[in-house]
Amino acid sequence: SAVISQKPSRDICQRGTSLTIQCQVDSQVTMMFWYRQQPGQSLTLIATANQGSEATYESGFVIDKFPISRPNLTFSTLTVSNMSPEDSSIYLCSGGGRYGYTFGSGTRLTVV
Amino acid sequence: DQQVKQNSPSLSVQEGRISILNCDYTNSMFDYFLWYKKYPAEGPTFLISISSIKDKNEDGRFTVFLNKSAKHLSLHIVPSQPGDSAVYFCAVTSQGGSEKLVFGKGTKLTVNP
Repeated sequence: SAVISQKPSRDICQRGTSLTIQCQVDSQVTMMFWYRQQPGQSLTLIATANQGSEATYESGFVIDKFPISRPNLTFSTLTVSNMSPEDSSIYLCSGGGRYGYTFGSGTRLTVV
Repeated sequence: DQQVKQNSPSLSVQEGRISILNCDYTNSMFDYFLWYKKYPAEGPTFLISISSIKDKNEDGRFTVFLNKSAKHLSLHIVPSQPGDSAVYFCAVTSQGGSEKLVFGKGTKLTVNP
């Protein structure tokens, strides 16, 4: 299965700023996704990162707040824009196909 | 509206005994079911999966059971080991959909030596 390197692993950011999270996959994968895990909650899908086109966002998530890029089949970024303390969470990327999804190690974001 | 429910936030068992983690789903269109294990400060790791055409899948100490009529699946770990202590997430995919996963809230398993 694919191995995903995600960075940064953690960050503390000032409100109003933006943070870009990167995910690099060691092989080409069909699908890539971005999730958020808030304390005590399940993994919530933010969007599907589509190669060469705009990401597909889930209800409650918008492109202006969470712009996503996927320039090729092995790389994707998620930006958390104009951050507020409510954005403090763990952000995870995932890649693979239906019968095997691998996750990055996560980015623990704290907004102060 | 939770589509995937793991009603037990935590479970504690003795080493060597069986651990049973449960998951219920609401949508009969889900056709592929997965279990992930997550350690602190790490991403979830795929553990085992089952297709809706089966009712059981076994991999070493891990067995997943699927009851489609009850919309229920369970993960059995036998024998349980202290290294199994982690949060276990149930995940499902929708039939003919975009292959995105829907996760439960997770069950924290503690295996005591």
